[in-house]
Amino acid sequence: GAGVSQSPSNKVTEKGKDVELRCDPISGHTALYWYRQSLGQGLEFLIYFQGNSAPDKSGLPSDRFSAERTGGSVSTLTIQRTQQEDSAVYLCASYSGRGDNYGYTFGSGTRLTVV
Amino acid sequence: AQSVTQLDSQVPVFEEAPVELRCNYSSSVSVYLFWYVQYPNQGLQLLLKYLSGSTLVKGINGFEAEFNKSQTSFHLRKPSVHISDTAEYFCAVKQMRGGSEKLVFGKGTKLTVNP
Repeated sequence: GAGVSQSPSNKVTEKGKDVELRCDPISGHTALYWYRQSLGQGLEFLIYFQGNSAPDKSGLPSDRFSAERTGGSVSTLTIQRTQQEDSAVYLCASYSGRGDNYGYTFGSGTRLTVV
Repeated sequence: AQSVTQLDSQVPVFEEAPVELRCNYSSSVSVYLFWYVQYPNQGLQLLLKYLSGSTLVKGINGFEAEFNKSQTSFHLRKPSVHISDTAEYFCAVKQMRGGSEKLVFGKGTKLTVNP
């Protein structure tokens, strides 16, 4: 596609429920990143994928958070037993290392609200 | 690890005035620098990037930035702002460390353009 697509755009969930956030990157981009943006915390790195493997998961806040990527394309970020502090905007970015397109393209994000 | 400091959390200016948003990064052998803009309820949009070459980088919407290695700075400038430039601006550096590559962001600067 032309850009990075994230779904859903908004998600309201009850505390304790599991949620899945989806990211569909730009075709041909080699790497995919997840960031979290919350008030007062700025943009926090969560995890990134090179192909289907995750060389760096250091930003995942707890073992309730996990992510996978299949076929070198779509990625899902799963949060189990959601807590109110998980409320944030989750941003996905895909990366190209080639020429004029070098850099990171972000999606519009998923706004997660845990009530 | 690389870090980014955005010296001003908020910058108010009047329409048609010049503006400079300041960004300093921690020193490294090679530096890839980025400025992103985020409009309300949207994702991050790339304004410009410095990879190598000319230290003056021109981006979209009339913005430019100057890479200054001796001062480890990458300040963003616009000679005359519009109301529509009201947004949050993020400076970021690419960190390459221990087999991991990721963007490290500053905490952002909220630019408010007043009539």
